[in-house]
Amino acid sequence: DTAVSQTPKYLVTQMGNDKSIKCEQNLGHDTMYWYKQDSKKFLKIMFSYNNKELIINETVPNRFSPKSPDKAHLNLHINSLELGDSAVYFCASSQGLPGQETQYFGPGTRLLVL
Amino acid sequence: DQQVKQNSPSLSVQEGRISILNCDYTNSMFDYFLWYKKYPAEGPTFLISISSIKDKNEDGRFTVFLNKSAKHLSLHIVPSQPGDSAVYFCAASENSGGGADGLTFGKGTHLIIQP
Repeated sequence: DTAVSQTPKYLVTQMGNDKSIKCEQNLGHDTMYWYKQDSKKFLKIMFSYNNKELIINETVPNRFSPKSPDKAHLNLHINSLELGDSAVYFCASSQGLPGQETQYFGPGTRLLVL
Repeated sequence: DQQVKQNSPSLSVQEGRISILNCDYTNSMFDYFLWYKKYPAEGPTFLISISSIKDKNEDGRFTVFLNKSAKHLSLHIVPSQPGDSAVYFCAASENSGGGADGLTFGKGTHLIIQP
């Protein structure tokens, strides 16, 4: 069973469109994250979320919004897609407790904006 | 400003020998460090971690060393195997209080194990 799964694996779309990427974890973790890996291969945190708070990296445009229907899911919505949004997006989860900070990653979603 | 640096983009090691991957950090608030391994078209896979209260953690062929005064950590893989060929990411967090902090990643080192 995949611990952290993402759909779709590949996403090709036009500039200006709105798209969503789904993430699900079956680890029973309380905290989920979205990371972006850009063309220079840097992995950077975008959001972290648990049932108490959403923490947003201040560099993330407000066109990006996470939505969590329940503890096991954290979906990423992107409005008005731009060319620079092309990247690989990784979802991750952790227990979010002291001593249990290890994050487990999904396989990634490769987004290409044309 | 890169808070976690992996200065070697790639490293080539002969099978059976020791692989040593290095990582430096600048943020003295980091107190938890992790190494991830990544194959192409897959997500990062957790390998090993170390808390700042320790200077060494070992798990099978993998050992992580932490030198807090030098703000340096290293991952040793011995003996190196062909399946170890991958990109290795060093990551750090300010997480002593737990909670929802993201990890700060280095740029990765591509390890190539030669037969």
